Amino acid sequence: EAGVTQSPTHLIKTRGQQATLRCSPISGHTSVYWYQQALGLGLQFLLWYDEGEERNRGNFPPRFSGRQFPNYSSELNVNALELEDSALYLCASSTGGYLNEKLFFGSGTQLSVL
Amino acid sequence: AQSVTQLGSHVSVSEGALVLLRCNYSSSVPPYLFWYVQYPNQGLQLLLKYTSAATLVKGINGFEAEFKKSETSFHLTKPSAHMSDAAEYFCAVTRGDFGNEKLTFGTGTRLTIIP
Repeated sequence: EAGVTQSPTHLIKTRGQQATLRCSPISGHTSVYWYQQALGLGLQFLLWYDEGEERNRGNFPPRFSGRQFPNYSSELNVNALELEDSALYLCASSTGGYLNEKLFFGSGTQLSVL
Repeated sequence: AQSVTQLGSHVSVSEGALVLLRCNYSSSVPPYLFWYVQYPNQGLQLLLKYTSAATLVKGINGFEAEFKKSETSFHLTKPSAHMSDAAEYFCAVTRGDFGNEKLTFGTGTRLTIIP
């Protein structure tokens, strides 16, 4: 069974550009979570999608957005990139978000903003 | 609000020695507590979790953790370190009636194993 897959593995952008990160959850999982892992800060919750809807978002500005497609894959978009957006972006999936179902993580997209 | 504090951003132990990674939590309600491991170039994997049942929780790869309410701690231990244990370890906390989006992670402890 395939795990959570993320693409691209690495992404290099310049300040002001837009970045698009993609995530495919484990088959059968309807919930997708996005986290930002900046150096020294641990994982910060970004967004949660379930059944195609945004269910919750963390304390991030609106230029962080995303969507979930009918096949439950998800996209994270970061507009007007800033230097401090450089981080590892992790996607996780689960069978549902309400009862602390086990999270399965992808290996991440390393975003570098120059 | 809930939070976790991981004491020591870097820990080094010799192969075969005891591994002890410290995590203290803050929560106004009974917490659910987790340890995740992140191997190089991989995503996080769940090691073990505490959900208000037995206070000593056994996880994968020989790790275990003990919930101590009086000390607000959930330290991770392994009796004998292996080279393959080198990774970054994250403690996380939430509450039973919350979903995964409320998981609060610590800043991580990087474990190095000395041959």
